[in-house]
Amino acid sequence: AQSVTQLGSHVSVSEGALVLLRCNYSSSVPPYLFWYVQYPNQGLQLLLKYTTGATLVKGINGFEAEFKKSETSFHLTKPSAHMSDAAEYFCAVSPNNNDMRFGAGTRLTVKP
Amino acid sequence: DAGVIQSPRHEVTEMGQEVTLRCKPISGHDYLFWYRQTMMRGLELLIYFNNNVPIDDSGMPEDRFSAKMPNASFSTLKIQPSEPRDSAVYFCASSLIGGGEQYFGPGTRLTVT
Repeated sequence: AQSVTQLGSHVSVSEGALVLLRCNYSSSVPPYLFWYVQYPNQGLQLLLKYTTGATLVKGINGFEAEFKKSETSFHLTKPSAHMSDAAEYFCAVSPNNNDMRFGAGTRLTVKP
Repeated sequence: DAGVIQSPRHEVTEMGQEVTLRCKPISGHDYLFWYRQTMMRGLELLIYFNNNVPIDDSGMPEDRFSAKMPNASFSTLKIQPSEPRDSAVYFCASSLIGGGEQYFGPGTRLTVT
């Protein structure tokens, strides 16, 4: 079965520092991969997605993620954290091109 | 488009009462998903529909939960009878294609006392 593992339920960085949120998936075939962000009291919104083609994917708000098949990873990065980036981030995989499986989420805190 | 619309935004009810949550997906989207989010279990897929037909309801916790999609623009999630452990935020999402980007509604925060 397809699954998603997000390493670290909480990540804290200083404003201006690198953001790295880790995601690994299990899959026998390359799946579709997604990162979503959830701000307090809101639904999830898409940050970026990988389907096919270029393995480095750029998303909104300066985030990007790289699909590494050999490592079955899809880590999310941002060079410089901003206070407004504080939120919960979910990695997700679409195993069968129908539904989607979400990771447990990583709560990002940005310190001034 | 107004996005995915959910109602009510907040619901407080007493144990044993029936609760109905409503969702209007984005027009033209063929897939509709119901999720439940709690601190303990995170985000769980309850059920999803394709072209108004339930495809996978294996995430529905028990028979007290039921979901319908009578037409392409409306879906309901019903809990009868409700219990305190059903307290959670329930999200509806829709997508144009299977496996594609899902658009989430703002959620319904359910509190069962």
